[in-house]
Amino acid sequence: LAKTTQPISMDSYEGQEVNITCSHNNIATNDYITWYQQFPSQGPRFIIQGYKTKVTNEVASLFIPADRKSSTLSLPRVSLSDTAVYYCLVGDLGYNTDKLIFGTGTRLQVFP
Amino acid sequence: DTGVSQDPRHKITKRGQNVTFRCDPISEHNRLYWYRQTLGQGPEFLTYFQNEAQLEKSRLLSDRFSAERPKGSFSTLEIQRTEQGDSAMYLCASSPPGWRDLSYEQYFGPGTRLTVT
Repeated sequence: LAKTTQPISMDSYEGQEVNITCSHNNIATNDYITWYQQFPSQGPRFIIQGYKTKVTNEVASLFIPADRKSSTLSLPRVSLSDTAVYYCLVGDLGYNTDKLIFGTGTRLQVFP
Repeated sequence: DTGVSQDPRHKITKRGQNVTFRCDPISEHNRLYWYRQTLGQGPEFLTYFQNEAQLEKSRLLSDRFSAERPKGSFSTLEIQRTEQGDSAMYLCASSPPGWRDLSYEQYFGPGTRLTVT
């Protein structure tokens, strides 16, 4: 499974756009990129997933360059409730395994 | 759909005691997962069931740990002879059949926080 590297923490203010970049230099052809969000004392929650180019949903956007060696999670106009830990996961969508491999994540703190 | 539920939410036990946690997945979800999370770390995979069959176990799951899903619905995770190092949040997740054709999404419960004194 490809190892991921992401910043340990980030700070932002309400209303700003937040971009969290994840490096995955050894990503394999069959690997997808998935982001989860976790609030304190809760289980992680799926945010978004992509394979290449750009994916957007009602919560976030995911930008993946052509070489797929990195990806950027973009959160538009964050609010205080976006304060959480964000995990970048890279894997082959369970074709060889069904387990999720989490790193230490990025702790996002949003200030008023 | 009430989501994944776990019971109890908190458990304090003395070292050497046995504890058992329960997870009720989302109905119709045939896949069920257990993870463990310690402070400041991401969740670590422990084991996975498809229906009642336990298909994968992590090396983290020592012989003191056992998980069951007897009827393919709820699951239990038992820890025997607890140690202080077992203190963690134990998370359960589930996913529906055919999820590989959809998104790589597992639905997590709120977790059971275990404290071993």
